[in-house]
Amino acid sequence: EVQLLESGGGLVQPGGSLRLSCAASGFTFSNYVMSWVRQAPGKGLEWVSAISVTGDTGYNADSVTGRFTISRDNSKNTLYLQLNSLRAEDTAAYYCAKTLGIRGGAYYYGLDVWGQGTTVTVSS
Amino acid sequence: DIQMTQSPSSLSASVGDRVTITCRASQSISSYLNWYQQKPGKAPKLLIYAASSLQGGVPSRFGGSGSGTDFTLTISSLQPEDFATYYCQQSYSPPRTFGQGTKLEIK
Repeated sequence: EVQLLESGGGLVQPGGSLRLSCAASGFTFSNYVMSWVRQAPGKGLEWVSAISVTGDTGYNADSVTGRFTISRDNSKNTLYLQLNSLRAEDTAAYYCAKTLGIRGGAYYYGLDVWGQGTTVTVSS
Repeated sequence: DIQMTQSPSSLSASVGDRVTITCRASQSISSYLNWYQQKPGKAPKLLIYAASSLQGGVPSRFGGSGSGTDFTLTISSLQPEDFATYYCQQSYSPPRTFGQGTKLEIK
């Protein structure tokens, strides 16, 4: 069964740091671009970050650039998100998600598998 | 960054109704458009990718169309389990932004 399991969320003070992890199973992790998406309480989905299959290229939303860093360890089938300089507005459920991959010779970046989410609360 | 705008933000409909949700991109995104369904307390579910391709396991009453800047998600005959929030997302270029969501409620 294809599965993603996030961990590492919790309560942190403003200015603090956390590292989120996402353990993947049931598919060849190293073949897929992976993403993080967050959802603040009662709000919509916000795309946060994505990383290439080799891990050498990362992309961030403007709202987190310079504070969050995405990485992956293909030997451990694990995706990470380092959250630094946290702010109250970073409070959200954080989901990791797998992209569709190659269909008919083209790569599609729709997110077809999602974890259950891990909650980050930034508060003093 | 590409901005995605959905309309309406909320919608009331009845079981059996045909429903259309619109998504507009701030610039052309070709057909790099995805649709998701999210129910309360759950992770989103991919319904449609590449504007009109139905994800495996998704009922055929869901359909997507459009290209360039204007896209639609159509549910041909609403079922009770379809009442949820729907999001579009562009996957043309990072950041791969989402629309603000459309909440579909029972009339």
